[in-house]
This record gives sequence, structure tokens and C-alpha cells, in this order.
Amino acid sequence: NAGVTQTPKFQVLKTGQSMTLQCAQDMNHEYMSWYRQDPGMGLRLIHYSVGAGITDQGEVPNGYNVSRSTTEDFPLRLLSAAPSQTSVYFCASSYDRVDSGYTFGSGTRLTVV
Amino acid sequence: AQTVTQSQPEMSVQEAETVTLSCTYDTSESNYYLFWYKQPPSRQMILVIRQEAYKQQNATENRFSVNFQKAAKSFSLKISDSQLGDTAMYFCAFMKAGSGNTPLVFGKGTRLSVIA
Repeated sequence: NAGVTQTPKFQVLKTGQSMTLQCAQDMNHEYMSWYRQDPGMGLRLIHYSVGAGITDQGEVPNGYNVSRSTTEDFPLRLLSAAPSQTSVYFCASSYDRVDSGYTFGSGTRLTVV
Repeated sequence: AQTVTQSQPEMSVQEAETVTLSCTYDTSESNYYLFWYKQPPSRQMILVIRQEAYKQQNATENRFSVNFQKAAKSFSLKISDSQLGDTAMYFCAFMKAGSGNTPLVFGKGTRLSVIA
């Protein structure tokens, strides 16, 4: 049981490049979400999904795209990376019920130069 | 929209002593959940403790306990017998209770250092 797997763990991008952060879970969780963590800002929600084919925006969605074609995977796409997207990104998943706890991935540290 | 405020960016405590981390929140919801997460240098997010708003009894988990004051919208974390392994960032988080799961709203965190 791997839990929530995020890849890569570290990435350096040049401004304007695109990339996809991967998130996969093997717990059959319906709910998946992406957060970014910046110093002094806590974790802020980017996008989330309550099931395959359903996504919604969080607090800071600009510059990011998501899709949910399977229950297991929830990739986060940066279409044109900007230095402001330098951050640590966390994926989290849970069952879609009110008493379910979240399982977090180990994070991806992204630097945009 | 809900907001979570942690007013102490950094704190320190001597090993074996007790420390309390503060958290206040703002919401118009009557039913919700509150959490404390620990993030050690490994970056992993670890659930420390959870409180359901409809329960008056304060949650406890071994050395960790909360003081939940619903009317004051306050949710502080007390760590007893502090250990070096408690050194970490601590985040307070709010989750609205809905028909299914809902997003977590986090505070900005408190960096706790336990000193030998």
C-alpha cells in the first residue's frame, strides 16, 4: 500500500516551460486535491476533485490546470511556468465522506528560474 | 469564506516542558472539523489531532490535547512533556462539514523548536 505518491520530488524549470506534477493514490479515494506551500503562507488550495471527471478550483488556481480521468491519478499541469510558482506542492486524498481523514503525499519542491 | 489564524510564527520550549500553540478561526458554519497537522523537516504532513465542532469534549492524543472554545472560535494545541522529535511546523486547519469531504483551510503555521 503506497498511499499517495508524488513525482518528481524536486524540479527546476525555466520561465515559460511547461510540466506536469504527478499524483497517484492506491487507496480508492474519491477526493483528491493539490495545495501549494509558501513560507509564511501555510498551505493554499489550488484545485480539487471529488471523483473521476469532476474538478473544481480552489483559492489559487491561476496558472494551473488539472484533470481527473481515473480515480487513482490527479496530475497538476503548469502551462507556462513563472517564478511566482516556485513553491512546494502537496497532493492529498481522502474518501468522500465527512469523517474521512486526508493522506498527504511527500511533496514536490519546484523552482522556476 | 473561512479563515484560520495562527498568531505565533515561532515558538520554543525546553525539553520535557509544556507548550501551547494558538489558533483562531472565523466561520459562519455551525458544523465543522478542526485539525492540527505537524510538518517535520522531512516535509511530510502528519495529522496530530482532530476535533468535531459538535463535540464539547476536548480531543486528546497521548501528549497532545486541544482546548476547543467554540463560542470564542479558538482551538489551541497543548503539547505536554515536549520531546526533541516534536520540533516541526504546526498547522491548524478547518474543514466545513458537508455531505461529503470538503477542502481543508490552513493557517500560516507555527514553527516550534524543542530545546535540549
